[in-house]
Amino acid sequence: QKEVEQNSGPLSVPEGAIASLNCTYSDRGSQSFFWYRQYSGKSPELIMSIYSNGDKEDGRFTAQLNKASQYVSLLIRDSQPSDSATYLCAVTPIYNFNKFYFGSGTKLNVKP
Amino acid sequence: DVKVTQSSRYLVKRTGEKVFLECVQDMDHENMFWYRQDPGLGLRLIYFSYDVKMKEKGDIPEGYSVSREKKERFSLILESASTNQTSMYLCASSLEFSGSSYEQYFGPGTRLTVT
Repeated sequence: QKEVEQNSGPLSVPEGAIASLNCTYSDRGSQSFFWYRQYSGKSPELIMSIYSNGDKEDGRFTAQLNKASQYVSLLIRDSQPSDSATYLCAVTPIYNFNKFYFGSGTKLNVKP
Repeated sequence: DVKVTQSSRYLVKRTGEKVFLECVQDMDHENMFWYRQDPGLGLRLIYFSYDVKMKEKGDIPEGYSVSREKKERFSLILESASTNQTSMYLCASSLEFSGSSYEQYFGPGTRLTVT
């Protein structure tokens, strides 16, 4: 079983819609959660971090964490074609906060 | 802004060559990491370092070694390059965990092709 699971997609949404990206993790003791955006041929770029249950908003992005259900999601409001990228979820295990486990990513396509 | 730089964006080497990939960060981060990224396999940790001259194996250390002589610089060494080491190599850095922010920041990546 992988530590972090993401649907590979592609997830297609029309411009202006809400894109919802989901991630589940296996280590119930995981403490820290991160979302990265990766454009084709580029390196991952940090979008958001979340450490406690609930929602965290930053501009058009909202991260949601539910530790009881072991999932973390990323909502992108008013999706733009420039949001088209692969989104990686990362989780740190309880025994080593410096070590990240990455999901394989979900490819998002925002259609004009 | 955090800046992580890598010595080359693209590199082509021959089988059996010794290959050095260098990474430099300018934010005084304690931790530095080397990953490789392959289609369908995602990001896999090769090695990381939490201090000068300190290192720990990641999930796929075989065929690789690392060096960290200075805090800002972390080198990945392929002792004898093989075709299965053709990949995108990503360096990252982060602050030591302190109960607050310690996100990993990535360099631009080196696409290595071994022929």
